[in-house]
Amino acid sequence: GAVVSQHPSRVICKSGTSVKIECRSLDFQATTMFWYRQFPKQSLMLMATSNEGSKATYEQGVEKDKFLINHASLTLSTLTVTSAHPEDSSFYICSALSGGAETQYFGPGTRLLVL
Amino acid sequence: SQQGEEDPQALSIQEGENATMNCSYKTSINNLQWYRQNSGRGLVHLILIRSNEREKHSGRLRVTLDTSKKSSSLLITASRAADTASYFCATAGTGANSKLTFGKGITLSVRP
Repeated sequence: GAVVSQHPSRVICKSGTSVKIECRSLDFQATTMFWYRQFPKQSLMLMATSNEGSKATYEQGVEKDKFLINHASLTLSTLTVTSAHPEDSSFYICSALSGGAETQYFGPGTRLLVL
Repeated sequence: SQQGEEDPQALSIQEGENATMNCSYKTSINNLQWYRQNSGRGLVHLILIRSNEREKHSGRLRVTLDTSKKSSSLLITASRAADTASYFCATAGTGANSKLTFGKGITLSVRP
């Protein structure tokens, strides 16, 4: 149980385009989902917290207009990187949490390369 | 800013040996969790220890927590080559659905 999937697993795009990444909880309802970014050989940095049916809460320094987050259902959250630039190239990981639980379950990550 | 700081940053051991990794943090926590990440993959939850617990076991894993020193250790006994990965500690503050703050991670290499 507690499986989280991400799609796509890898994406290459041109600078200036937008990329959407999906995060799904497959066997549980996720009231809260988190989006992280991880640069090579570094730790995970939380970008935003997403609660189903409400606006995401962004961490300091993360542009909400650039990283659009939608959590429209209890099993799906999406992160859209708008007008992507090479510096947005990174490994994006989501995690999901069911209400009241303490353990976040992580997706396998999406590697984004912006040319 | 990051909460957890692990040490050592890198650890190389022989298969069969034990691996001990430490994590220190700065503020009060509700719980502390350890995760494993294989190269280029997502995180796998290993174990959670609450602030009122001192030690926890799960298979070959043993975690301790000292809230007075704001530190935790992860011991992997009888290591295997498959244990080669990066290990992260993450702290959760108080409150529902609290976000995790990750340390920098430890790279463990287990030589066959």
